[in-house]
Amino acid sequence: TQLLEQSPQFLSIQEGENLTVYCNSSSVFSSLQWYRQEPGEGPVLLVTVVTGGEVKKLKRLTFQFGDARKDSSLHITAAQPGDTGLYLCADDRDDKIIFGKGTRLHILP
Amino acid sequence: DVKVTQSSRYLVKRTGEKVFLECVQDMDHENMFWYRQDPGLGLRLIYFSYDVKMKEKGDIPEGYSVSREKKERFSLILESASTNQTSMYLCASSFGEMSSYEQYFGPGTRLTVT
Repeated sequence: TQLLEQSPQFLSIQEGENLTVYCNSSSVFSSLQWYRQEPGEGPVLLVTVVTGGEVKKLKRLTFQFGDARKDSSLHITAAQPGDTGLYLCADDRDDKIIFGKGTRLHILP
Repeated sequence: DVKVTQSSRYLVKRTGEKVFLECVQDMDHENMFWYRQDPGLGLRLIYFSYDVKMKEKGDIPEGYSVSREKKERFSLILESASTNQTSMYLCASSFGEMSSYEQYFGPGTRLTVT
């Protein structure tokens, strides 16, 4: 059963463009993490959001947690080739971490 | 910074071999995890451990076992490797209670079973 839905599955855009990817659940998130995984490497934690409506910024990345804590978005401004990777969201469910399948992002130079 | 290291980046084994994947973390984390990652299936939890000599089954434990004799080391064992165990294996660690779960990953071991 897919508990976390990430969309889109794939995204390929030109350098300099803006983009948004999404993570949704039918259940309320305990808290939500976003990870980025570069090719051939393990995922690296980018941010954790906890409070409904919370917005966190990490340079050109803006993370938003929905008011109802059932959805989250990651917005990247002026994408760069270094942003290429697999973006994963994760939630704590039943004392285990559940990962979405990810959005594979490719930034074209 | 937390460092999680895995014994091999790439590994090729034959069907039926016993395979050991080693993971070491240097931040005194209580919790350690083994995942496999496959295209279209995402990250799937194989086993995890929240203390030395403790282990818990994840979502796909069949065909695998684990060992945690020391706090910093968590080993994944494929008793008799099969081709469907060809995958990327990722180890992770985290601090504190299971609900305090920010995970730090190793670089992964890409295992090919022929």
